[in-house]
Amino acid sequence: GESVGLHLPTLSVQEGDNSIINCAYSNSASDYFIWYKQESGKGPQFIIDIRSNMDKRQGQRVTVLLNKTVKHLSLQIAATQPGDSAVYFCAEFGSGNTGKLIFGQGTTLQVKP
Amino acid sequence: DADVTQTPRNRITKTGKRIMLECSQTKGHDRMYWYRQDPGLGLRLIYYSFDVKDINKGEISDGYSVSRQAQAKFSLSLESAIPNQTALYFCASAVGGSGRYNEQFFGPGTRLTVL
Repeated sequence: GESVGLHLPTLSVQEGDNSIINCAYSNSASDYFIWYKQESGKGPQFIIDIRSNMDKRQGQRVTVLLNKTVKHLSLQIAATQPGDSAVYFCAEFGSGNTGKLIFGQGTTLQVKP
Repeated sequence: DADVTQTPRNRITKTGKRIMLECSQTKGHDRMYWYRQDPGLGLRLIYYSFDVKDINKGEISDGYSVSRQAQAKFSLSLESAIPNQTALYFCASAVGGSGRYNEQFFGPGTRLTVL
């Protein structure tokens, strides 16, 4: 079956440092991935996505890297700020035209002042 | 105002009770989804609906039912709540059409506790 997973449940970084959150997926046929941010008391919010025909995609302070060879993707946050503290999930679209998202377990990012 | 709203935000109930969680969206989306989130786990899909007449089971539909009363409303029911249904429940909506990768917009969640 399909599954996605994250390497670490918690990541603690100093404010201003760069953060890297990792995710491994199992379905080599997956062709679209999304990173979500979930703040306390809120639903997940879209951060950035990447399709399998790309290795890298950049947004504002965020970069997603995709390594299809080892089925791994990562989210890099530059100059981490206190407002970045949240749980981060990677998700992939499942097979078929269902729009079904398969979520990983989540990494809690803690930003120390 | 929020585009996807859920009521109630918090609910405590007893084993065996029937519970309904409601979701409304003002985005005009055709697709709506119900997810469940447990501590340490990602969201898991319970049910999804492509339109009012198209409702499908997700990966963990046992013990749940849904109703798509209108394009904007999608409710989730627990016919006879049990303690292991204690979780955070999220509703989401997305545009329809032929697009496979339509972004899902999530509500704020409902925290349900079954005693």
